[in-house]
Amino acid sequence: GAVVSQHPSWVICKSGTSVKIECRSLDFQATTMFWYRQFPKQSLMLMATSNEGSKATYEQGVEKDKFLINHASLTLSTLTVTSAHPEDSSFYICSAREDWRTEAFFGQGTRLTVV
Amino acid sequence: DQQVKQNSPSLSVQEGRISILNCDYTNSMFDYFLWYKKYPAEGPTFLISISSIKDKNEDGRFTVFLNKSAKHLSLHIVPSQPGDSAVYFCAASARGSGGSNYKLTFGKGTLLTVNP
Repeated sequence: GAVVSQHPSWVICKSGTSVKIECRSLDFQATTMFWYRQFPKQSLMLMATSNEGSKATYEQGVEKDKFLINHASLTLSTLTVTSAHPEDSSFYICSAREDWRTEAFFGQGTRLTVV
Repeated sequence: DQQVKQNSPSLSVQEGRISILNCDYTNSMFDYFLWYKKYPAEGPTFLISISSIKDKNEDGRFTVFLNKSAKHLSLHIVPSQPGDSAVYFCAASARGSGGSNYKLTFGKGTLLTVNP
């Protein structure tokens, strides 16, 4: 149980285009989903927290207009990187938790490369 | 401000021996702690957790110890196996501070290498 699927696992896009990453909880209802970014040899940096049906809460320094998060259902959240630039190239990871758990379960991550 | 610190970026142990991974935290509001294991290009996998009301939690080869007065926790892996080689992240949450989001704050990770 507690499987989180993230898609795509890697994507290459041109500078100026937008990229959408999906995060699905396959066998549980995710009341809360989190989006992280990881730079090489760095920790997981929380970008935003989203609850189903409400607007995401962004961490300080994260541009909400650039990183659009939608959590329209209890099993799906999406992160759209708009007008991507090479500096947005990174490893993006989502996690999801059920209402009664503290531990969150992570997707496989998405390697984004902007060229 | 690094609220969760893993001061050892790497650790190398021999197969069959004990691996001890350390983690320190500064935020006294943290009351729940977790360890995750991560392979390259994959998402972290939950390993074990501990609540602040306990000082030890054991699950098979993995044991987590919590010393609240020192704001320190450690993960013990006994016996270590080559398949345990990965990056281990310590994470903390302040569940009792209100709200239900239970955000996790992560350390920078420790790369464990278990040599055959």
